[in-house]
Amino acid sequence: QSVLTQPPSASGTPGQRVTISCSGSSSDIGSNTVNWYQQLPGTAPRLLIYTNNQRPSGVPDRFSGSKSGTSASLAISGLQSEDDAYYYCATWDDSLNSVVFGGGTELTVL
Amino acid sequence: QLQLQESGPGLVKPSETLSLTCTVSGGSMSSSSYYWGWLRQPPGKGLEWIGSINYSGITYFNPSLKSRVSISVGRSKNQFSLKLNSVTAADTAVYYCARVDIAELPSSAFDIWGQGTMVTVSS
Repeated sequence: QSVLTQPPSASGTPGQRVTISCSGSSSDIGSNTVNWYQQLPGTAPRLLIYTNNQRPSGVPDRFSGSKSGTSASLAISGLQSEDDAYYYCATWDDSLNSVVFGGGTELTVL
Repeated sequence: QLQLQESGPGLVKPSETLSLTCTVSGGSMSSSSYYWGWLRQPPGKGLEWIGSINYSGITYFNPSLKSRVSISVGRSKNQFSLKLNSVTAADTAVYYCARVDIAELPSSAFDIWGQGTMVTVSS
């Protein structure tokens, strides 16, 4: 059971906009910034969004992040086939004194 | 371009110690702007943070693993290592090393990852 709650799956067709949610509590998302990772099959995760809504160099602006209270969201606009991957949210938990991850969301581009 | 590469045995016996090394190339570990971390991912499951260390050797660990984990910076100063003792089948996973961006501490921003190495715990 992960500390952060993500839907196990999401889907969309090419060109659509999809959002993936990440729900936490006052001790994790409510108190700390959120980062998002993309993991393509058989590869290491890649930092997609940091500090709630910042994109590292090289990440397309189709990807955006937001945070409100104890929840965060990752939005992907103009969905492309190469976006087919797992997505994980992560933050620090002040109660557990640990980095915590969501269970991951499998995004399928139909 | 900074790269990280994990190395170590792919098979460890139950109750023994898992030892992995991460070699950093294309850059230096000595920047005060970064920590260096270990994470793992059991087959078909999600990510779990193990612990992080800075160049000076300051560490912080996942409390659920803390009693069995040690992380250290290598003598060459471009390597850091993980030791996990008393392993069981539950420790079977892909182990990743990663650079930690510490614009804020503590940090969950792992911005550069190694490719990962599969470690199986079995007799």
